[in-house]
Amino acid sequence: SQTIHQWPATLVQPVGSPLSLECTVEGTSNPNLYWYRQAAGRGLQLLFYSVGIGQISSEVPQNLSASRPQDRQFILSSKKLLLSDSGFYLCAWSVLRNTEAFFGQGTRLTVV
Amino acid sequence: SQQGEEDPQALSIQEGENATMNCSYKTSINNLQWYRQNSGRGLVHLILIRSNEREKHSGRLRVTLDTSKKSSSLLITASRAADTASYFCATDSRNNAGNMLTFGGGTRLMVKP
Repeated sequence: SQTIHQWPATLVQPVGSPLSLECTVEGTSNPNLYWYRQAAGRGLQLLFYSVGIGQISSEVPQNLSASRPQDRQFILSSKKLLLSDSGFYLCAWSVLRNTEAFFGQGTRLTVV
Repeated sequence: SQQGEEDPQALSIQEGENATMNCSYKTSINNLQWYRQNSGRGLVHLILIRSNEREKHSGRLRVTLDTSKKSSSLLITASRAADTASYFCATDSRNNAGNMLTFGGGTRLMVKP
């Protein structure tokens, strides 16, 4: 069966520090991978999506970047965090022809 | 940018009542999906309805889709306290890179016991 792992669950980081959130998927090959951010009580904002290794599309200009070094690994990074980067980050995957998405449990990032 | 917009933003009902949430979207879609999110957790897929379908059922869930009005509704019948959560609609938009999902702002449902 397919599973998705996202860690850490919570993270408190000072302004200006780097960030690396990792997401891995098991049990499927060549998934579409997504990073979303959710502000408190709000909907999901699509940050990045990837249809293959090294292929990253960005939806909004921001202080963040994403990489896909392996087929089932998706990393969200920042060189210098801003206060506005605080939020709930969700990784998800889907299969091209079946667009049901499966989500990780999320990482709550607080930048202080 | 958000494709789907849910209405209402918040809904409070008594256990046993039905809950109806609506979603509107702007562009052509291949399918529309509904997800549920418990507080502080990831989203869980509930149901998918394709653009050529008008209604779909899954247990106590009933979803309708009106492509002419670019709208969908999610009905939860005989609600339970455990149905308390946020509900999101999501649409797929095909582009050169493949399918991707965009979500609405969600409806926060509270079911009082």
